[in-house]
Amino acid sequence: EVQLVESGGDLVQPGRSLRLSCTTSGFTFGDYAISWVRQAPGKGLEWVGFIRRIVHGGTAEYAASVKDRFTISRDDSQNIAHLQMSSLKTEDTAVYYCARSNSGCIDQWGQGTLVTVSS
Amino acid sequence: HLVLTQSPSASAPLGASVKLTCTLSSGHSRYGIAWHQQQPEMGPRFLMKLDSDGSHYKGDGIPDRFSGSSSGAERYLTISSLQSEDEADYYCQTWDTGIQVFGGGTKLTVL
Repeated sequence: EVQLVESGGDLVQPGRSLRLSCTTSGFTFGDYAISWVRQAPGKGLEWVGFIRRIVHGGTAEYAASVKDRFTISRDDSQNIAHLQMSSLKTEDTAVYYCARSNSGCIDQWGQGTLVTVSS
Repeated sequence: HLVLTQSPSASAPLGASVKLTCTLSSGHSRYGIAWHQQQPEMGPRFLMKLDSDGSHYKGDGIPDRFSGSSSGAERYLTISSLQSEDEADYYCQTWDTGIQVFGGGTKLTVL
């Protein structure tokens, strides 16, 4: 069974940092890109970024709203991806989902982890 | 500029069929998309990938009641024999080099 499990969500003050993890199982992790998507309370889905497969360079791309503040990484030996968030703003408050991507198409989702940015 | 446009809401009676639309921005009519369902208080679930020629493949366990089709820049999700559990938000998603994009979502109400 394919599984993606997010962890690390928390209440954090504006300006601070937080790292989310996406632990996966049930598929060959290295064959897929990993995306991060967020959903603010009562709002729609917003793409945050993705990291390519290692064979495609393992590089990451980001939405303009998080570029230069967020960093996505992956560890194929552990089947895990991370989202490092810095300089957090109140508008970053959301449920964060990791997802498996196949040539751009998201085809599996995690259950999400809540990040609240508030003083 | 790659954009997906969805109507904010739709409704149909229990047992009926409904067709949801996702429109690709100008110049992107040959792009494929994915449809995702988000039931209340749940995470999203992948329904299907839909190509510009209407061919589609569905995720594991997605009922036959869900189907996809395409016409020009429009991508459709048709749900037949509506059930109460189909009441949910439906999002389309597409991609290009270095970017993934979501539509604003359609809230489907089953009457």
